Order: sequence, then structure tokens, then C-alpha cells
Amino acid sequence: QVQLVESGGGVVQPGRSLRLSCAASGFTFSNYAMHWVRQAPGKGLEWVAIIWYDGSNKYYADSVKGRFTISRDNSKNTLFLQMNSLRAEDTAVYYCARGSMAQADYWGQGTLVTVSS
Amino acid sequence: QSALTQPPSASGSPGQSVTISCTGTNSDVGDYNYVSWYQQHPGKAPKLMIYEVSKRPSGVPDRFSGSKSGDTASLTVSGLQAEDEADYYCSSYAGSNAVVFGGGTKLTVL
Repeated sequence: QVQLVESGGGVVQPGRSLRLSCAASGFTFSNYAMHWVRQAPGKGLEWVAIIWYDGSNKYYADSVKGRFTISRDNSKNTLFLQMNSLRAEDTAVYYCARGSMAQADYWGQGTLVTVSS
Repeated sequence: QSALTQPPSASGSPGQSVTISCTGTNSDVGDYNYVSWYQQHPGKAPKLMIYEVSKRPSGVPDRFSGSKSGDTASLTVSGLQAEDEADYYCSSYAGSNAVVFGGGTKLTVL
């Protein structure tokens, strides 16, 4: 069965960096585009970024462009999100999800990132 | 990348039908048949319920249906059941390689 497991969340000070990982199993990871989607506490879902199945294309929400970098290692079935220059408003649960521009069909359970001094 | 507009809340009694709207623009919902709907129970990950406006993934009950007219998409839940009580989010491809979500609707089964 498809499984996505995020890790790397935690408490970080404003302006610092954090790297999230998402370990995929149960499907051919290298065949699928992957998303990062976040949800601030008590708020709705916000799309963050998408990476093509082969890593050839990467697209970002305006709110994170220039600060976050999405990447993947298909040899290790792992998706990453490098987050730099973190701000308080980046505090959220970060989900990885399998899909395309049209949908996200499987989601992980999320990892909480708290940006606070 | 402005968020799609959903009503904050909706409700219905068991067995009834309820429809949740999702209003965008002619640059997202109105321009592409790439509207999806997600169900999220408290503390859980979202679950895909509808994709490409009206298609249901395997395992999603046919009580859930989707449609679109112009810039507004809709999710209808028929024969409401207690387990349908959750938050529902729409999303759409927004062009320029971006995805946009709605603000979410809390569905209460009375």
C-alpha cells in the first residue's frame, strides 16, 4: 500500500533553516510528481511546491518562492523540502503528497514546523 | 494565487443531501477541469474524494459527487452519514504551474 512518512519538523528560530524529508513506499516513486502542502494551526490547506517525477521541473507558491527548495532522490524514494529564512508565518503542519497539478491522491500524516524565538 | 472561496460551514441531517460550493475565477476553476475535493477529519491527513471535477477515486462512496458550472465547482454529499462530518477543501490548477486551495468548509451532520 502507498505510504508517505514525513520527518524533520521541529522548533526553529526565525531566519534559520530546516530540511524536511518524506519517505515513500508501496509505489514506483520515480513515476510520480510530488507535492508539499502545509496547514497552519487551525487554518486551511496551502499548496507549497511540486516537483516533476524526474526532478526536471519545480514550481512554488509565491509565499515561499526564493526561500524554499523542493528536491527528490529517486534512488532512495525520498522527497525533500529545504526551508530557509523561516518566518513565523511558516509555522504549519507540512504534508507530502503524491500527485500531479490536477490532484494529490495520497498524503502523509504530516510533520509540524514551529518557527518561534 | 488567490484562494478559492468556500462557505465556512454547511450542515444537514442524516440521510439528507448537502452541497458545498467552491468559487474561483476564469483563471483557475473556470479555465481548467482540474478541480479536486479533499475530506479531512480532525487531526488526520486530507483524503482525495473527487478529482478532475467529477471523478471518484476507487473506494470513495458514490454518495460523493462533483460538478462545475462556470467559475464555481460543487461537491454534493447525498445520504449524509455521521462519518461524513469533516472539513472539506476544494483545489484547482490555477495556471502558471500553480495550485490553489479553498479556505475549507466544516460539514456538520446534525
